[in-house]
Amino acid sequence: GQQLNQSPQSMFIQEGEDVSMNCTSSSIFNTWLWYKQDPGEGPVLLIALYKAGELTSNGRLTAQFGITRKDSFLNISASIPSDVGIYFCAGQLGSGAGSYQLTFGKGTKLSVIP
Amino acid sequence: GAGVSQSPSNKVTEKGKDVELRCDPISGHTALYWYRQSLGQGLEFLIYFQGNSAPDKSGLPSDRFSAERTGGSVSTLTIQRTQQEDSAVYLCASSFERRTNEQFFGPGTRLTVL
Repeated sequence: GQQLNQSPQSMFIQEGEDVSMNCTSSSIFNTWLWYKQDPGEGPVLLIALYKAGELTSNGRLTAQFGITRKDSFLNISASIPSDVGIYFCAGQLGSGAGSYQLTFGKGTKLSVIP
Repeated sequence: GAGVSQSPSNKVTEKGKDVELRCDPISGHTALYWYRQSLGQGLEFLIYFQGNSAPDKSGLPSDRFSAERTGGSVSTLTIQRTQQEDSAVYLCASSFERRTNEQFFGPGTRLTVL
């Protein structure tokens, strides 16, 4: 089945720094998604990407859908303490049987030092 | 509330006992999903319900796991004869039928099997 490799596994950064994390896949996905999970909560969708090469921003967050459709990255600019949490990438086939299934990476745990 | 709700939030049980986990999706969402999140791992797809269609149970790890969705709304995930490896956070999500990429997650049920 599909596998998503997400890196880094964890990051410790100073407040105000920029952050970058990425996901790579052995398979092609037609949709890439980035979620954030706070402790004790379910993941919350941050950005959805639908087209190869697409670059989308949501406030201080920017994500790109790789041209090969096998990778995506998420950047967070000028990090603040509330950015702390676990960030997950997820891929979706978007067509065919099981297209509704999301395949998740193992997450990047972000810690921000004030 | 307007979001996906799950109960209980925490469940501690003894090995061999049965447990039932409940999910109330967002009103109007016809698609409902169950995922399992083990410690330090991404989310693992378990089962998908869409309207009155037969559910996709392809992600259920064993025949001890089953799920129902009554009246197209509330869903119950049942784990029979629980094992220690069943310990995880069980997350429910819902979406509109044609927006399966925009899944809204509940806070999860943390299951601990002693």
